[in-house]
Amino acid sequence: NAGVTQTPKFQVLKTGQSMTLQCAQDMNHNSMYWYRQDPGMGLRLIYYSASEGTTDKGEVPNGYNVSRLNKREFSLRLESAAPSQTSVYFCASSEGQGRGTGELFFGEGSRLTVL
Amino acid sequence: AQSVTQLGSHVSVSEGALVLLRCNYSSSVPPYLFWYVQYPNQGLQLLLKYTTGATLVKGINGFEAEFKKSETSFHLTKPSAHMSDAAEYFCAVSDNPSSASKIIFGSGTRLSIRP
Repeated sequence: NAGVTQTPKFQVLKTGQSMTLQCAQDMNHNSMYWYRQDPGMGLRLIYYSASEGTTDKGEVPNGYNVSRLNKREFSLRLESAAPSQTSVYFCASSEGQGRGTGELFFGEGSRLTVL
Repeated sequence: AQSVTQLGSHVSVSEGALVLLRCNYSSSVPPYLFWYVQYPNQGLQLLLKYTTGATLVKGINGFEAEFKKSETSFHLTKPSAHMSDAAEYFCAVSDNPSSASKIIFGSGTRLSIRP
C-alpha cells in the first residue's frame, strides 16, 4: 500500500551542485506531477506528465528538468542548484487519460536546502 | 485562466466552534473544485471534491463545502472543531482534471484550534 514514494526525504546541496529527486507510484496512474511548496505561496506546479512519454511545463519550470522513465516513475532534476530552489518538493499522481475526477495522490515530500 | 483565492492565511477557532475556511475561484468553464488537507510534515490528502451534481459536498472528518456558482465560492465548513483538525488547508480548481490539465492551488489557510 505504498501509493506515491519519494526519495530522498531530506537533502542539503551547495550552490551549483546537481541532484535528482525520484518518485514512483504503484497505483497504475497515467498522470504524474512535481510541485514545490513555499511558505505563503501554496503549491506551484513545476512540470507534469499526462501520460508515459510526455512531459509539459507548469507554472515554475525554470531550473528544472524531468524524465518520465516509465509509467511508474517520474524524476525531477536540478542541474545547477540555486538558493531560490530551497523548498519542499511534492510528487503527485492521478488517474488521468479521461478517467477519474482529478484527485491527486501525494508523496510525503522532499525537503531540499541549497546553501 | 483559472485562479484560486483563499481568504485568510491563518484562522484560529476554539475547540467546539464552527470552522469556516473561505475559497473563491475564477474559471472560464465549469470548474472542478477540491479541498486538500496537509498535516505537519506530511503530504496533502483529499478532503472533498465537487465535480458535478449536488452542490453540497461532504468529505472526511465531518467537513463539507458548498459550491455557489453565483458567488464563485467553495467555502469549507465544519460545525464543531476538534483539536485534530489543526492543519493547513488548500483549495484547488481545475477545468478538466480527467485530461491531466493543470490543477491550480490556493496559497493555503493554516487552521489553529484553541483548547
